Amino acid sequence: EIVLTQSPGTLSLSPGERATLSCRASQSLSNSYVAWYQQKPGQAPRLLIYGASSRATGVPDRFSGSGSGTDFALTISRLEPEDFAVYYCQQYGGSPLFTFGPGTKVDIK
Amino acid sequence: QVQLQESGPGLVKPSETLSLTCSVSGGSISNYFWNWIRQPAGKGLEWIGRIYAGGRTTDNPALKGRVTMSLDPSNNLFSLHLSSVAAADTAVYYCARGGIVGAPGLYYFDYWGQGALVSVSS
Repeated sequence: EIVLTQSPGTLSLSPGERATLSCRASQSLSNSYVAWYQQKPGQAPRLLIYGASSRATGVPDRFSGSGSGTDFALTISRLEPEDFAVYYCQQYGGSPLFTFGPGTKVDIK
Repeated sequence: QVQLQESGPGLVKPSETLSLTCSVSGGSISNYFWNWIRQPAGKGLEWIGRIYAGGRTTDNPALKGRVTMSLDPSNNLFSLHLSSVAAADTAVYYCARGGIVGAPGLYYFDYWGQGALVSVSS
């Protein structure tokens, strides 16, 4: 099983600040196989980034993804009030076919 | 706009079978992968399995063969059956669309249902 580790567990920031979230895989991944989701309380996850760095339709350009191999990152350039949420990375490949990281909570400082 | 909606009992007894249906509107279920993902309260996401054209399926080995899925193209819906449930199966269950069958590079979930809370309790 490919295990994803996300850090930090919680990120406390103020609106307007930059957020950098990390996702590390237990083995090397193709960039095509990495995605990021945002989840707010009581809602389903929302796709933000696919293919490690491509923004999904309608996602603001303050969200960006980067990385390769085992280390990937999601960056929010300037936090807006609606960006405070939990963020999950996800990978494809191996068994099980899809796994998710444990999530990073971005909360208001 | 593609929309997904889960439906099914919110309470299932231990050892019985959990059954959920996902209705898809705004697009055909043909040619796509259709997935089930769950999330226990306050915890992370677990992929359960997927189904695609012709009823072909792949599921998570961690669920030890308890997963059955079916596809109903005539009604644009697909279903999940999880047998021999226990308290650990209590979660919000989501259906989600995956990539296009035969199109490489689409390894993510772009449309999700709102989720259905299923509790396992006697």
